[in-house]
Amino acid sequence: QKEVEQNSGPLSVPEGAIASLNCTYSDRGSQSFFWYRQYSGKSPELIMSIYSNGDKEDGRFTAQLNKASQYVSLLIRDSQPSDSATYLCAVLNSGGGADGLTFGKGTHLIIQP
Amino acid sequence: GAGVSQSPSNKVTEKGKDVELRCDPISGHTALYWYRQSLGQGLEFLIYFQGNSAPDKSGLPSDRFSAERTGGSVSTLTIQRTQQEDSAVYLCASSYNLGGELFFGEGSRLTVL
Repeated sequence: QKEVEQNSGPLSVPEGAIASLNCTYSDRGSQSFFWYRQYSGKSPELIMSIYSNGDKEDGRFTAQLNKASQYVSLLIRDSQPSDSATYLCAVLNSGGGADGLTFGKGTHLIIQP
Repeated sequence: GAGVSQSPSNKVTEKGKDVELRCDPISGHTALYWYRQSLGQGLEFLIYFQGNSAPDKSGLPSDRFSAERTGGSVSTLTIQRTQQEDSAVYLCASSYNLGGELFFGEGSRLTVL
């Protein structure tokens, strides 16, 4: 069973601070990793994808990948109340998409004004 | 179209009735996925299509569930003899190719009374 684990939270962060969201995965052969944001009652929205070890930055978002540790994270700088949502980590399993992405259950992030 | 389109957005049905959920993917996207999300739960992978072909149906929860895709575009998820445990949001996603970034529709919320 390929698994993606996230702390369910809630994770409470003051406005303007850095929010750090973490994810571990079990399939060592995984090559593609994604972060989705899901507002309550809405569908998941792609924030970032990362494929290589290291950091990838896009605006206030930075994804970090460490394949040796089977760990991927998302940093949100200058957190805003509008960032309050559930963040889903998704991993493309080594089957190459034959079973879709495996999603974690998500971390509920709350940005306190 | 500009995004993934799903219909109906909401469906309330009586136990034992059949329902059909429709998904129109982003134009040019060859891969199409169906997920299910129960209240407060993570995303459960159901089935994917590459073109019109669904190589693996093992993710479907029971033989009451079936899906098809015609013309490499629109897909229909059919649930026969609905049960209360089928109540969930059914999400469709498409990607340019298998294993690529997934883009989700707004979902079809199914309530079985």
